[in-house]
Amino acid sequence: EDQVTQSPEALRLQEGESSSLNCSYTVSGLRGLFWYRQDPGKGPEFLFTLYSAGEEKEKERLKATLTKKESFLHITAPKPEDSATYLCAVQAPQGGSEKLVFGKGTKLTVNP
Amino acid sequence: EAGVTQFPSHSVIEKGQTVTLRCDPISGHDNLYWYRRVMGKEIKFLLHFVKESKQDESGMPNNRFLAERTGGTYSTLKVQPAELEDSGVYFCASSFAFTGTEAFFGQGTRLTVV
Repeated sequence: EDQVTQSPEALRLQEGESSSLNCSYTVSGLRGLFWYRQDPGKGPEFLFTLYSAGEEKEKERLKATLTKKESFLHITAPKPEDSATYLCAVQAPQGGSEKLVFGKGTKLTVNP
Repeated sequence: EAGVTQFPSHSVIEKGQTVTLRCDPISGHDNLYWYRRVMGKEIKFLLHFVKESKQDESGMPNNRFLAERTGGTYSTLKVQPAELEDSGVYFCASSFAFTGTEAFFGQGTRLTVV
């Protein structure tokens, strides 16, 4: 069964203090790994899709990387507005299913 | 461009009652998904429509849940009769294409069964 484990569950940073979030996955035939950001009371907001090991994508202060077993979301010099829950999900279309399998998320708090 | 819209945003019902959730996907998106997040757990897949057809309903918990997508536009998810364990946040998402394409999520419907 496909599994996604995110760590840490919660992370507190000071503004400007860079760090990384981890997403470990077990899946057969990864088709895509997705990072989403979720603010309280809102739905997940798409950030990145990674398709193959070695791939990297960047958006402002965020950089996502992918290996065969895990993905990292690097946050460089975070700001308070980066505070949110970051979700990782994998898609592995077994038997025709296109579903996303999510991790529980990492709740990031950036203090000014 | 309008995003994925869900109605209502909150619903509180008594055990045994019926509730219908609605999702309006992004225009032109043939793929529509329902997910649910129960408190303390991860977001879990319920089902996937391609246009009006159910592509995958492997995540539907039981026959108290009925999803429809008439005409391939908006979708409804009916829970009848509701049980306490049905409480959670129900998310709808839509995407243009199949595999590997990002899905855009609605804001969710928070369902509380008392």
